[in-house]
Formats: sequence, structure tokens, C-alpha cells
Amino acid sequence: EAGVAQSPRYKIIEKRQSVAFWCNPISGHATLYWYQQILGQGPKLLIQFQNNGVVDDSQLPKDRFSAERLKGVDSTLKIQPAKLEDSAVYLCASSRSTNEKLFFGSGTQLSVL
Amino acid sequence: GDSVTQMEGPVTLSEEAFLTINCTYTATGYPSLFWYVQYPGEGLQLLLKATKADDKGSNKGFEATYRKETTSFHLEKGSVQVSDSAVYFCALSDEGYGNKLVFGAGTILRVKS
Repeated sequence: EAGVAQSPRYKIIEKRQSVAFWCNPISGHATLYWYQQILGQGPKLLIQFQNNGVVDDSQLPKDRFSAERLKGVDSTLKIQPAKLEDSAVYLCASSRSTNEKLFFGSGTQLSVL
Repeated sequence: GDSVTQMEGPVTLSEEAFLTINCTYTATGYPSLFWYVQYPGEGLQLLLKATKADDKGSNKGFEATYRKETTSFHLEKGSVQVSDSAVYFCALSDEGYGNKLVFGAGTILRVKS
């Protein structure tokens, strides 16, 4: 079974630029999550999708972050404009449903200079 | 809000040593508790879980017991191997919220041969 795929693996940008991350969950997984992991901290949930609908985006900084999951499969997370404090690893995870085991991708490491 | 506190690392042990990584939590309800592991270059993986008080989760020689009276979920292993070197995250999920996880900051474990 293929795992959760994320790209790119690394990204370096300057502040005020925009950036987008892509996630392809495990086939058949209805629930998709984006987490932000700042160095030295645990992952923090940014947004949760159930199919193509948003379940929870209470911790998403909506003035600069946006996410979508068109057709309930792949998802993209965008930051525009980026700030220095956005430097982190962005993790995507998926599960069959909200009460089942999560599977995490390897993450995208973002450096904002 | 809910939170998880882990012992700071890095923890450096010799092979076959006994391992304990402390984890305590604060939650308003009756959360499920988890340990996740992140090996170098890989995504987070569920190591073990416990869903109610006095439950013991176990996997790959690791164990943790859900202690409601002390709000703790300490991770233990009797004899560590070099291959156990990784970052270990304690996490909780409030009852009824599925997999919306709150993570601790993580503890780096380094095992020397």
C-alpha cells in the first residue's frame, strides 16, 4: 500500500513570497490533515478535511494560509505572503475516517529567509 | 486547552540500557493517549496507544500505561537498540474528536553501540 505522498521535500523562499505544498493521501482515505511542525515543537494541526469539506480550520492563520481539497483526494496548502516564522515542516496525514489510525507523509521542510 | 509535556532531550543511552521517557498531560475530558515515533527521514508513525485509565499500550518492546491519577503516560523499554534512535512524541486526542491530536514537543533518543 502506497503511503502519503508529499512534495516538494524541501523549499527555500524569501519572506513575502508565496509557496504551495501538495499532498496525495492513501487511496480511499476520506480524512486529510495538515500539521505544522516548528523546530523543537510538536506538530500542530492546521486544518482537517473530511472528503472535500473542511471539518476544522480553527488554527489556520487565514490571513495568509489557505488549503483546498478538490474532488476529495489531493490537497494543496498555500502560504501567501510567507513570514520568517512560517519556517517549519508541513506534514500531511490521512486516515480512513476521523476515528481511525493516521498515516503521515514525510513532510515538506520550508525555510523562509 | 489540552496540552502535553514531555521530558527534554536528547536522551543518550548505550545499547541494552533501560529507557524511560516521561509524558504528562492536561485535558478537560478523558483523552486517548498515544506515542508516535519519527525515524530519521521518515514520517511520524504510531508506536502505541491507550484509550482509558490503566490501559497498557505496547509495541516493539515499548510499553506505556495510562495513569489517570498522575495524568501520565510514560514510555518504557527494557533494552534499547541502536535502531530505536529516533524522535518520540507523546500525544492526546479528546474523546469524541477522533484523531485531532495534540502533541508534545518530542524527545530525541540516541542509542550508542
